[in-house]
Amino acid sequence: EAQVTQNPRYLITVTGKKLTVTCSQNMNHEYMSWYRQDPGLGLRQIYYSMNVEVTDKGDVPEGYKVSRKEKRNFPLILESPSPNQTSLYFCASSSRGPGDNEQFFGPGTRLTVL
Amino acid sequence: GDSVTQMEGPVTLSEEAFLTINCTYTATGYPSLFWYVQYPGEGLQLLLKATKADDKGSNKGFEATYRKETTSFHLEKGSVQVSDSAVYFCAHSGYSTLTFGKGTMLLVSP
Repeated sequence: EAQVTQNPRYLITVTGKKLTVTCSQNMNHEYMSWYRQDPGLGLRQIYYSMNVEVTDKGDVPEGYKVSRKEKRNFPLILESPSPNQTSLYFCASSSRGPGDNEQFFGPGTRLTVL
Repeated sequence: GDSVTQMEGPVTLSEEAFLTINCTYTATGYPSLFWYVQYPGEGLQLLLKATKADDKGSNKGFEATYRKETTSFHLEKGSVQVSDSAVYFCAHSGYSTLTFGKGTMLLVSP
């Protein structure tokens, strides 16, 4: 089944404890991205990757890192999480850049930083 | 900068009522336009899209027409069902990014 998977689905952590949220797609997509969803703010893009080894900042990159060593994986790294990073995170992928291409979203990761 | 504005919710309707969710955008060039839907506890999924002016996207009884002159992409459905209860996001695309509106929650009661 074609899908985007994220792990973990739920995570409660404490301020400053490094964490990684994994994202993997099995559709051989070139484009991958991360969004955060907050009440009243909708979805905001954190980082995106047009292809392997190519990543760039979205609208809200502060406090996050990403890497794209393989086409299928695009982990999101929080080196020192803070409470303002408590949010619902979505990974998405598409065959190429957004253009007129459908984005396929993962099921989401709900992160709470205490 | 590029942006998408959609009506605030929640929109509360009875089953079989007519639905309109307004969406306007600002963008450089001629972006593609999308409506995504998010059912409770799930990720977003594409509902419909339009790639050029006057195109009409349609799916599952929903429709939206790309209006360049009014920079709008309003979502409509003639008769909503309880199962349509969800959050609806309007979006437009650039070369490397997708810009979303804040989402409109739709609640349909029997």
